[in-house]
Amino acid sequence: AQSVAQPEDQVNVAEGNPLTVKCTYSVSGNPYLFWYVQYPNRGLQFLLKYITGDNLVKGSYGFEAEFNKSQTSFHLKKPSALVSDSALYFCAVRDGAAGNKLTFGGGTRVLVKP
Amino acid sequence: EAGVTQFPSHSVIEKGQTVTLRCDPISGHDNLYWYRRVMGKEIKFLLHFVKESKQDESGMPNNRFLAERTGGTYSTLKVQPAELEDSGVYFCASRVVDNSPLHFGNGTRLTVT
Repeated sequence: AQSVAQPEDQVNVAEGNPLTVKCTYSVSGNPYLFWYVQYPNRGLQFLLKYITGDNLVKGSYGFEAEFNKSQTSFHLKKPSALVSDSALYFCAVRDGAAGNKLTFGGGTRVLVKP
Repeated sequence: EAGVTQFPSHSVIEKGQTVTLRCDPISGHDNLYWYRRVMGKEIKFLLHFVKESKQDESGMPNNRFLAERTGGTYSTLKVQPAELEDSGVYFCASRVVDNSPLHFGNGTRLTVT
């Protein structure tokens, strides 16, 4: 079975400060990891993914995430947050060895204050 | 290119009624998925189509839910009869091949009263 944990329901950060959204995962095989963002009344938008290769993955809107196999983590980061980054962020995992479905975390609401 | 389209955007029905949700994937995307988020919890997988065939329906909660994808284009998800616990946001997503990112629709917010 695969699972994802996002330990923080909400993250508050001041504009211009670094933003980190935490994610840990559990899968039997090789993890395929994803971050999605949801703006109000919109669907989920793909930010970035890790399949293989460099542990540091760069994605859309200046976001990046670091795959850490030993800690089974895939934290999302942005060096300087913008007010427009305020949204709901979902981490997801797929077992690369089996199946096609994504398992999502519960989501973390990010609030960037001016 | 047009994105994944879902209809309706909102639906409010009474317990015991029937509701049908529709999803139009991106043209050419053989893989179509249904997910739902209930009561602000995790987004849960419901099922996966490859063209018109159900590849994996392990996430379907019970036999009140019926998904179809006749002709391998758009898909419908019918809930009959609806129960209070079915309230939530139902997302459809599609992709071309296995490792390509999922493209999500804006979701249908279903409220069962």
